[in-house]
Amino acid sequence: DIQMTQSPSSLSASVGDTVTITCRASHSVRRFLNWYQHKPGKVPKLLIYAASSLQSGVPSRFSGSGSGTDFTLTISSLQPEDFATYYCQQTYITPPETFGQGTKVEIK
Amino acid sequence: EVQLVQSGAEVRKPGESLKISCEGSGYNFTTYEIAWVRQPPGKGLEWMGIIYTGDSDTRYSPSFEGQVTISVDKSINTAYLQWGSLKASDTAIYYCARRETYYYDSSFGTYFDYWGQGTLVTVSS
Repeated sequence: DIQMTQSPSSLSASVGDTVTITCRASHSVRRFLNWYQHKPGKVPKLLIYAASSLQSGVPSRFSGSGSGTDFTLTISSLQPEDFATYYCQQTYITPPETFGQGTKVEIK
Repeated sequence: EVQLVQSGAEVRKPGESLKISCEGSGYNFTTYEIAWVRQPPGKGLEWMGIIYTGDSDTRYSPSFEGQVTISVDKSINTAYLQWGSLKASDTAIYYCARRETYYYDSSFGTYFDYWGQGTLVTVSS
């Protein structure tokens, strides 16, 4: 299996801050990397696919970058509705299409 | 409107069997794969396996191979996840998700674009 490691596991930030979450793969996944947002009691929501392609309807303050083994999700000007847990997922090697362990973004 | 509707919460004892369902609507069910994703209490998302709804071919994560069975009934647009003998460690929310495919740089990538609402499975004596 390809292992996906996110950092940090959690962070505290204020509304208006820029937040960066990183995801590292144990082997190259080229650019086959997705990002999801998951709020308590809700279903996960796709934000980014192919490392940097914004899913339709997702605000442009979300952006993704990276290739190979190192990827980044950036949230510019954090909004109250952005407090959630974020997961990366590789889909280059399947099965399984591994998720990272998650990064919880909390209000400071 | 695309929808995945899962069956309701279940409570079972260790050793019991269980089958939960995921019904798709609003799209051509057999042209998309359905995956199952587990979320234990307080933990992250785990990819369990996937079924190709057109031909019922399945792929499992090594962590779940032999522990669960994924199946489909195309006639009623429904995918299933079942256990033969539940353990307390199977307590979790289980999501089904539709897998979309895209073409990029001479290869195919995938992502989950629609999710079921989740089914809470509680296994306790």
